Amino acid sequence: QQQVKQSPQSLIVQKGGISIINCAYENTAFDYFPWYQQFPGKGPALLIAIRPDVSEKKEGRFTISFNKSAKQFSLHIMDSQPGDSATYFCAASMSGAGSYQLTFGKGTKLSVIP
Amino acid sequence: DVKVTQSSRYLVKRTGEKVFLECVQDMDHENMFWYRQDPGLGLRLIYFSYDVKMKEKGDIPEGYSVSREKKERFSLILESASTNQTSMYLCASSSSGTSSGYTFGSGTRLTVV
Repeated sequence: QQQVKQSPQSLIVQKGGISIINCAYENTAFDYFPWYQQFPGKGPALLIAIRPDVSEKKEGRFTISFNKSAKQFSLHIMDSQPGDSATYFCAASMSGAGSYQLTFGKGTKLSVIP
Repeated sequence: DVKVTQSSRYLVKRTGEKVFLECVQDMDHENMFWYRQDPGLGLRLIYFSYDVKMKEKGDIPEGYSVSREKKERFSLILESASTNQTSMYLCASSSSGTSSGYTFGSGTRLTVV
């Protein structure tokens, strides 16, 4: 079954700390792993994405770590700021057969406190 | 700036009404999707479309239908609104060219009373 399991459901981090959100998947055919950030009252927006040919991708304070053998990937937010407080969704999809449907995790609500 | 536009931010409808939620994208994307978002349940796929006049059921299609008469527009229809359809509804679109993720609209908060 195509599932993506995300943890934790909620996370509280001190300003300046590291926020870590984890996801695990089952379908080895997945080949695209994006993270979305959603602020209250807004739709999710693409934050960063990775493909399985690399083990890590960094964009500013945001890093995806990818472990293909463990079928896990995680989002690290360095030097977390109150403005990072949002809900984060991991997702996965596979190419081919005209299908690029994303399978989403259930989301993590991150609160960064001053 | 490319975007997905949902026609209403907030809607209040009565039980039994027929409700139309409209979504328009300006990116010439082939794929369009409707999700509902509820606390603790994440994003649940209602319907999606890979082409004009084409539709496929997602995980929770019961009580909903869709229409895609033009490439840029994807409508979600609640045939007879019920209180358990009170939710945030999100439209998204994506390109079939490569796995490039979705672009989401800002959502419609629907309350059925």
